[in-house]
Amino acid sequence: GAVVSQHPSRVICKSGTSVKIECRSLDFQATTMFWYRQFPKQSLMLMATSNEGSKATYEQGVEKDKFLINHASLTLSTLTVTSAHPEDSSFYICSASGQGAADTQYFGPGTRLTVL
Amino acid sequence: DQQVKQNSPSLSVQEGRISILNCDYTNSMFDYFLWYKKYPAEGPTFLISISSIKDKNEDGRFTVFLNKSAKHLSLHIVPSQPGDSAVYFCAASRWGGTSYGKLTFGQGTILTVHP
Repeated sequence: GAVVSQHPSRVICKSGTSVKIECRSLDFQATTMFWYRQFPKQSLMLMATSNEGSKATYEQGVEKDKFLINHASLTLSTLTVTSAHPEDSSFYICSASGQGAADTQYFGPGTRLTVL
Repeated sequence: DQQVKQNSPSLSVQEGRISILNCDYTNSMFDYFLWYKKYPAEGPTFLISISSIKDKNEDGRFTVFLNKSAKHLSLHIVPSQPGDSAVYFCAASRWGGTSYGKLTFGQGTILTVHP
């Protein structure tokens, strides 16, 4: 149980385009989903926390207009990187927790974004 | 400000021996700690956790120890197996307040278990 999927697993796009990444909890209802990014050989950095049906809470320094998060249902959250630039190239990972945010977070497999 | 630190970037251990991974934290408000295992290009996989009311939690080959006074936790893997080779992240969170559920990760330690 507690499986989280992400799609796509890898995406390459041109600078200036927008990219949408989906995060799904497959066998449980995720009241809270988290989005992280990881640069090579660095830790996972929390970008934002999203609760189903409400606006996401962004961490300091994360541009909410650039990284649009939608948590439309208890099994799906999306992250859209708008007007992507090469510096947005990174590994994006989502996690989901059920029954409230205090539960153990289960992570998706991640999405490798490369912006040319 | 690195609130969770894993000062050893890598650790090499012989198969069958004990692996000890260390983690230090600075924020005394953290009261729930987790260890995750991660392979390249994959998301982290939850291993074991401990709340601040305990000082030890054991699950099979994995044991986590928490020393609150020293703000230090460690993960013991015994016996170590080649399949344990991965990056190990410790993470910390708070049960209440505005940080409810948010995880703060350490930098990770690359564990290599040699046959």
